[in-house]
Amino acid sequence: QKEVEQNSGPLSVPEGAIASLNCTYSDRVSQSFFWYRQYSGKSPELIMSIYSNGDKEDGRFTAQLNKASQYVSLLIRDSQPSDSATYLCAVNAPGANSKLTFGKGITLSVRP
Amino acid sequence: NAGVTQTPKFQVLKTGQSMTLQCAQDMNHNSMYWYRQDPGMGLRLIYYSASEGTTDKGEVPNGYNVSRLNKREFSLRLESAAPSQTSVYFCASSGLLAGSYNEQFFGPGTRLTVL
Repeated sequence: QKEVEQNSGPLSVPEGAIASLNCTYSDRVSQSFFWYRQYSGKSPELIMSIYSNGDKEDGRFTAQLNKASQYVSLLIRDSQPSDSATYLCAVNAPGANSKLTFGKGITLSVRP
Repeated sequence: NAGVTQTPKFQVLKTGQSMTLQCAQDMNHNSMYWYRQDPGMGLRLIYYSASEGTTDKGEVPNGYNVSRLNKREFSLRLESAAPSQTSVYFCASSGLLAGSYNEQFFGPGTRLTVL
């Protein structure tokens, strides 16, 4: 059973702080990793993809992957109230007809 | 370029009624998916279609059927709706038939209530 675990929330940070969202996965052969943002009442929106160990930066967002520890994280720098949303971690294993396994998500609240 | 579209946006059914949720994508993607999202349960895969002409069960297929009508369209049918099927339904698509990468893009969702 492939599992994706996200640290329990909700997470609350002040405006301007760094928000750190964490995710662990059980399937060691997983190869691609995604972070989705979901605003209340809306659909998930892909914000970051990462495929190799290390950091990947895109604006205020940094995804970090450590395959040895089976750990992927999302850092949000200079957090804004507009970052308040639920963040979903998703993991894909290789192979034909592979599917994404999603974590249950963590809700982030950025206090003005 | 509308991405992934879903109809209807909202629906209320009575127990035992049937309905079909429609999904279409204009990104020339091979793979399409149907998920349901319930509070505390996260996104759960109902059915998926890796390519035109193929469909496979996901994690929670009971009570549902699907049709991959063509490369663009993937519909989800509830033959006899039950209150347990009250949920938000999302359709998604991705560009790769197989392999390591599977960036999925989601439609706006259908909020279904079964009374």
